[in-house]
Amino acid sequence: DAGVTQSPTHLIKTRGQHVTLRCSPISGHKSVSWYQQVLGQGPQFIFQYYEKEERGRGNFPDRFSARQFPNYSSELNVNALLLGDSALYLCASSTTGYGGEQYFGPGTRLTVT
Amino acid sequence: GESVGLHLPTLSVQEGDNSIINCAYSNSASDYFIWYKQESGKGPQFIIDIRSNMDKRQGQRVTVLLNKTVKHLSLQIAATQPGDSAVYFCAEEDGGATNKLIFGTGTLLAVQP
Repeated sequence: DAGVTQSPTHLIKTRGQHVTLRCSPISGHKSVSWYQQVLGQGPQFIFQYYEKEERGRGNFPDRFSARQFPNYSSELNVNALLLGDSALYLCASSTTGYGGEQYFGPGTRLTVT
Repeated sequence: GESVGLHLPTLSVQEGDNSIINCAYSNSASDYFIWYKQESGKGPQFIIDIRSNMDKRQGQRVTVLLNKTVKHLSLQIAATQPGDSAVYFCAEEDGGATNKLIFGTGTLLAVQP
C-alpha cells in the first residue's frame, strides 16, 4: 500500500513569492495535518483538516493557509515567502480526527533565497 | 505553552546493546503519545504509541514505558543495530478534538559497530 505522498520533493523560491505544497494521504485516511520542521528541531504543527474542515491551527501567520479536497488530498499555501520559511514541510495522515496513529510523508524541502 | 522535551540530545551505544531514550512531557491532560524515528532527509517514521491508560507497550524490539506520576516516557530498543541510528522524537497529542502533536527536539541515537 502506498504511504503518504508529497510533492514536490524540493523547491527553491525567492522572498515574496508564493508556494503551494501538495499531500496525498494514505488510502482511507480522512485527516491530514501539516507540520514545519526547521533543521535541528522537532516538527511544529501548522494545520489539521478532517473531513475537509479545519480542525486545528498552529501558531503560524495568516500567510499560511491550507485546504482539503473531496478525495482527502490537501494543499498548503504560503504567501509572501520569508527567508525564515525555509524548512522541511511534512504532511501526516490519520484515519481519525484525534487519538489515532499518524503517518508522515517524506516531506517537501523548501528553500527561500 | 505545553511542550515535550528530551533529557539526552545524543546517545551513543554499541551494536547489540540495549538503548533507552527518555522524554518528559508537561501536559498532564495528554492521553496519547507516539515515538517516531527520523532518518536524515526523510519524514518521521511511526514506531510505537501508547495511551494514558497503559504503563507499557511492546512492539518488535521496542518497548515504550509511560510513567504518568512523573510525566515521563521512555523508548527501549533491544539489541540495537546500525540501522537504528537516527533521531528519535517523542510526540504528545495536544488533547481536544485534534491530531495536533507536540514534538520535542529529538535524541540522536548513534550505534557504533
